[in-house]
Amino acid sequence: AQKITQTQPGMFVQEKEAVTLDCTYDTSDPSYGLFWYKQPSSGEMIFLIYQGSYDQQNATEGRYSLNFQKARKSANLVISASQLGDSAMYFCAMREGGGNNRKLIWGLGTSLAVNP
Amino acid sequence: KAGVTQTPRYLIKTRGQQVTLSCSPISGHRSVSWYQQTPGQGLQFLFEYFSETQRNKGNFPGRFSGRQFSNSRSEMNVSTLELGDSALYLCASSLGRAYNSPLHFGNGTRLTVT
Repeated sequence: AQKITQTQPGMFVQEKEAVTLDCTYDTSDPSYGLFWYKQPSSGEMIFLIYQGSYDQQNATEGRYSLNFQKARKSANLVISASQLGDSAMYFCAMREGGGNNRKLIWGLGTSLAVNP
Repeated sequence: KAGVTQTPRYLIKTRGQQVTLSCSPISGHRSVSWYQQTPGQGLQFLFEYFSETQRNKGNFPGRFSGRQFSNSRSEMNVSTLELGDSALYLCASSLGRAYNSPLHFGNGTRLTVT
């Protein structure tokens, strides 16, 4: 079963507007972390923002914020005031706390294009 | 603080050859993980090392191996290369193994097998 689901293969947004990238997850582990990464065409994977399962408040990092709805198992990334440089692939990932495996479980990604 | 450094950036090899990829983690980071990224399969976990010990291994054949040195630097080796091994190989480091510890990635090594 897919543990991380990103339902939007591609998204378009106008420069300076806000955009929401969707991510739903599935886990029975009470302890987990959710991460968003940005991958430009150059290939590097850039860490953007983190949300822990026990965090009471939504995470924010500059123009990035996370809309965390634990009961619905969703962790949507909100990018405010989009810039041309935001055009990239965006990946949602999860790391579970139980057991010994600390691998990142990835979604398939959303390709974001920012139009001038 | 320097980021994760992967070398080389690009590699072209022929089927049957072997290849070694190198990864230097962020200073102070003791956990190193490797991921393979392909258009068809997405991002797949290869290995995780911590304190020179392999902690986890993904579902890859034995041709894929790795190791970690005492300075936390890591290498991965792929022997008897196949066309399907063509991929972007990403190395990541983190401070520790806790689930809330973000992984920081290098620029990747793009391997092409012909």
